[in-house]
Amino acid sequence: AQKVTQAQTEISVVEKEDVTLDCVYETRDTTYYLFWYKQPPSGELVFLIRRNSFDEQNEISGRYSWNFQKSTSSFNFTITASQVVDSAVYFCALSEDGGATNKLIFGTGTLLAVQP
Amino acid sequence: EPEVTQTPSHQVTQMGQEVILRCVPISNHLYFYWYRQILGQKVEFLVSFYNNEISEKSEIFDDQFSVERPDGSNFTLKIRSTKLEDSAMYFCASSEGLAGGQGSYEQYFGPGTRLTVT
Repeated sequence: AQKVTQAQTEISVVEKEDVTLDCVYETRDTTYYLFWYKQPPSGELVFLIRRNSFDEQNEISGRYSWNFQKSTSSFNFTITASQVVDSAVYFCALSEDGGATNKLIFGTGTLLAVQP
Repeated sequence: EPEVTQTPSHQVTQMGQEVILRCVPISNHLYFYWYRQILGQKVEFLVSFYNNEISEKSEIFDDQFSVERPDGSNFTLKIRSTKLEDSAMYFCASSEGLAGGQGSYEQYFGPGTRLTVT
């Protein structure tokens, strides 16, 4: 069964702190894809990153970094030097290969509040 | 930059009424999706559509729901007889291809339509 777990429902930090959002996934497929989306208060879903299961290299993009570990089925997201504009709900999602579609299975999201 | 658009942004309807939510996917995309998000909850897959037919649907997508691509640009979700529990944000998404095939398979989401059933 495919499942994404984001155990942290809410995180509150003060500006400039680093924060890590956890994501644990379950899948029986050997090829799959992991995503992070940001949902700001305005409600839209903003694509942040995609990771393929066969590529375990960590990635850094500006203040954002992602740590993918197949051994623990985790795909964690770190924001360095957080800013108030980072306040949003962040969703981790999984898509499996081999099906007729690449439907996304979302986690329950983590609400990040960055205080000034 | 191309984007997915959705109309209306907010729709209020009475229980039992039919609603049609409209989406214009990115023009060269071939795969289309509807998701919904009940307030405060996670985003859930409803249906995917390719080559003028449904390729996959979830348990939520029962006989009250239908999708259509009536012309070369629009992609619609119809709810025949709305219920209170249909109140949610409905997101349309599109992608150029599927993983393992040609083209990018990132799904790009529209801004959503907030449906309120009273």
